[in-house]
Amino acid sequence: QSALTQPASVSGSPGQSITISCSGTSSDIGAYNYVCWYQQHPGQAPKLMIYDVNNRPSGVSNRFSGSKSGNTASLTISGLQADDEADYYCTSFTRSALWVFGGGTKLTVL
Amino acid sequence: EMQLVESGGGLVQPGGSLRLSCAASGFIFRNYWMSWVRQAPGKGLEWVANINQYGSDEHYVDSVKGRFTISRDNAKNSLYLQMNSLRAEDTAVYYCAGNSDFRFDPWGQGTLVTVSS
Repeated sequence: QSALTQPASVSGSPGQSITISCSGTSSDIGAYNYVCWYQQHPGQAPKLMIYDVNNRPSGVSNRFSGSKSGNTASLTISGLQADDEADYYCTSFTRSALWVFGGGTKLTVL
Repeated sequence: EMQLVESGGGLVQPGGSLRLSCAASGFIFRNYWMSWVRQAPGKGLEWVANINQYGSDEHYVDSVKGRFTISRDNAKNSLYLQMNSLRAEDTAVYYCAGNSDFRFDPWGQGTLVTVSS
């Protein structure tokens, strides 16, 4: 059960777009379209931002979008805003019927 | 409003035991798979265990298998995590989360477990 691989940090200026990658294997990301993304501000619980690779829950801005190609998923945030500064985590269901998270990516809005 | 409230965290010595609870409200608890997810201080999220709606199917991350037991009481809208043989590396904030439809939602606010002598 190895963690998914995310960049430790990304940054962007307000109004710009950034993409966070999440690399897995054919046993997790590559096996199913059950990839989710979570946003976590300091001291708070995670918040679901994307589910099933590219679906947004009600109330989540359409500036957030997800995609997947092979064993790698991606989260794109367009029109960066100051409040987007947070940690982001990907997660995937696996062939072993277990769940695995990525190590997390710290987004800094310059 | 869907809400989850964890309790039961605290300081425990290595080798000790602790039982976490999670009280659910605002949604039909008995219809949901449920999970525990933990976060060590300054570290990322780690899925720990989940349980199906009926309490008849459980799954665990390898590092807690044989030491932790997840359970639920649908009559009390409650989820539990019995943690035995605790180690320093189990120190973390433990979140309970709804885990149906292949996503984690909603989440509780977390309860801190510290394993130290």
